[in-house]
Amino acid sequence: DAGVTQTPRHEVAEKGQTIILKCEPVSGHNDLFWYRQTKIQGLELLSYFRSKSLMEDGGAFKDRFKAEMLNSSFSTLKIQPTEPKDSAVYLCASSRDRGDTQYFGPGTRLLVL
Amino acid sequence: GQQVQQSPASLVLQEGENAELQCNFSTSLNSMQWFYQRPEGSLVSLFYNPSGTKQSGRLTSTTVIKERRSSLHISSSQITDSGTYLCAMEPGTGYQNFYFGKGTSLTVIP
Repeated sequence: DAGVTQTPRHEVAEKGQTIILKCEPVSGHNDLFWYRQTKIQGLELLSYFRSKSLMEDGGAFKDRFKAEMLNSSFSTLKIQPTEPKDSAVYLCASSRDRGDTQYFGPGTRLLVL
Repeated sequence: GQQVQQSPASLVLQEGENAELQCNFSTSLNSMQWFYQRPEGSLVSLFYNPSGTKQSGRLTSTTVIKERRSSLHISSSQITDSGTYLCAMEPGTGYQNFYFGKGTSLTVIP
């Protein structure tokens, strides 16, 4: 089985741009998570989907961050407009069910200038 | 405020020694998880442990919900255990978010 795939692996954006990050979960997994990791804030949950339904939309991240899951094998995270403080590693993970092991993708390293 | 406190922030062990990592929560919790982040950045889920004790190989996780704490015990440490160990809690009021600790950075030396 393929693991979690994320593209692109690296992204450089100008302030104000729109960027879209992509994730393909492990086949057959029902839960999908988007996280952000920075040195200062550490790891933060952005969005959580269960069977394609959005369960958690990240509270403080709502205004410029939008995650979607159009089908069970593909999710996107859109940041619009980007700000320099969005520079971070964005991680996608999936699990078969709540409470099961989460499998992480390699992450997308975003730099906003 | 900080929902999740991890201790110690960093730890150096000699190969073969045991370690106990702690996670304390400021609010009631529904469940918690332990993660391991390799030095190059990749993340691995270790335990989903709502309560009680779970073991996997040399790792044992114990969560005591009433006391709002969880621990991760590493026995007979190996150099490959080096990395960062993160805990995350799900608040007791339902699935609202995960709150992560800042992590314990573990270095195991020969």
